[in-house]
Amino acid sequence: AQKVTQAQTEISVVEKEDVTLDCVYETRDTTYYLFWYKQPPSGELVFLIRRNSFDEQNEISGRYSWNFQKSTSSFNFTITASQVVDSAVYFCALTADYKLSFGAGTTVTVRA
Amino acid sequence: SQTIHQWPATLVQPVGSPLSLECTVEGTSNPNLYWYRQAAGRGLQLLFYSVGIGQISSEVPQNLSASRPQDRQFILSSKKLLLSDSGFYLCAWRDSPNQPQHFGDGTRLSIL
Repeated sequence: AQKVTQAQTEISVVEKEDVTLDCVYETRDTTYYLFWYKQPPSGELVFLIRRNSFDEQNEISGRYSWNFQKSTSSFNFTITASQVVDSAVYFCALTADYKLSFGAGTTVTVRA
Repeated sequence: SQTIHQWPATLVQPVGSPLSLECTVEGTSNPNLYWYRQAAGRGLQLLFYSVGIGQISSEVPQNLSASRPQDRQFILSSKKLLLSDSGFYLCAWRDSPNQPQHFGDGTRLSIL
């Protein structure tokens, strides 16, 4: 069985602060894929990043960065110098087959 | 490029009425297709997925059903809606397990 845990329900920061979203996963599969999605207030889910289980290289895309640590089964997401437009619900997800297991999501509120 | 269309965007239905939500994907063939439901302020619940025409897997027993009459068409139905069926319904597709799921814009369903 697969499980994704996002322990942080809500995070509130002031603009320009950094914010880190935690994601811990459980799986018995040796090959699996991890994802992060963003859901802005309008409701659509936007794909942000994919990482496979054999690639532990961290990634940076603009103000976004991801830290994948297989030893601790974690795939954390950091937003640097947050902006109001970053306010959204962020979901971490895991798949090893046809189904995608989502975490409960973390609501990020960035105040001006 | 691939696109996903989901309609209607919003729907208000009385209790006991039927339901039909439609989702179509363009620009790909034999995609994996998914229906999710998201209650207000909650995470995503997988309802159904399909790996091919006529192949439907149900994740949650309920009064909803799904059908895939064509390769790129996925329909969510109900014969009699319940109050608990209210929520945000999302359709998604992907090419293979190592690819991210891409989501439609969603349908906000309110049951009165």
